[in-house]
Amino acid sequence: QKEVEQNSGPLSVPEGAIASLNCTYSDRGSQSFFWYRQYSGKSPELIMFIYSNGDKEDGRFTAQLNKASQYVSLLIRDSQPSDSATYLCAVNPGNQFYFGTGTSLTVIP
Amino acid sequence: DTGVSQNPRHKITKRGQNVTFRCDPISEHNRLYWYRQTLGQGPEFLTYFQNEAQLEKSRLLSDRFSAERPKGSFSTLEIQRTEQGDSAMYLCASSLELAMGETQYFGPGTRLLVL
Repeated sequence: QKEVEQNSGPLSVPEGAIASLNCTYSDRGSQSFFWYRQYSGKSPELIMFIYSNGDKEDGRFTAQLNKASQYVSLLIRDSQPSDSATYLCAVNPGNQFYFGTGTSLTVIP
Repeated sequence: DTGVSQNPRHKITKRGQNVTFRCDPISEHNRLYWYRQTLGQGPEFLTYFQNEAQLEKSRLLSDRFSAERPKGSFSTLEIQRTEQGDSAMYLCASSLELAMGETQYFGPGTRLLVL
């Protein structure tokens, strides 16, 4: 079983819609959770991190964490074509970072 | 630019040659990580340093790979006797360990092509 699982997609949403990206993790001891955006050919860019159960909002992005279900999600409101990228979920159980394979998102104008 | 920097950005080499990559982390960050990423995959952990100490190394890492961070600042990753399977993006990331947690920032990466 992989440490971090993501649906690889591709996920397509129309411009202005809400994009919902999901991630599950296996290590119950994980304490910190991250979402990175990666454009094709570029390195990952940190967009959100969350440490506590519940929601964390930053602009159009909301991260949601449910430690009991070992589940973390990212919502992107008012999706824009510039949001088209691969979104990587990362988890740190304390010793290193584990990444999922990413979900490819396409926002259709 | 105060972000993580990596050099070179691209490297083409012939199989069997040695290559060395450099990473300069964000200056106040005490942790430095190396990852490898291939197409369609997430970053795969290779090794990390806290200051100058190499604290963990992936079990998957061949002994052809070695990394150093001699003064706790920049780091180098060397691959000896390169193989075609080493072709990938090599990513460096740095982070600052705080009581509340650790947040990691990536450099632009070095893309390696082994012919």
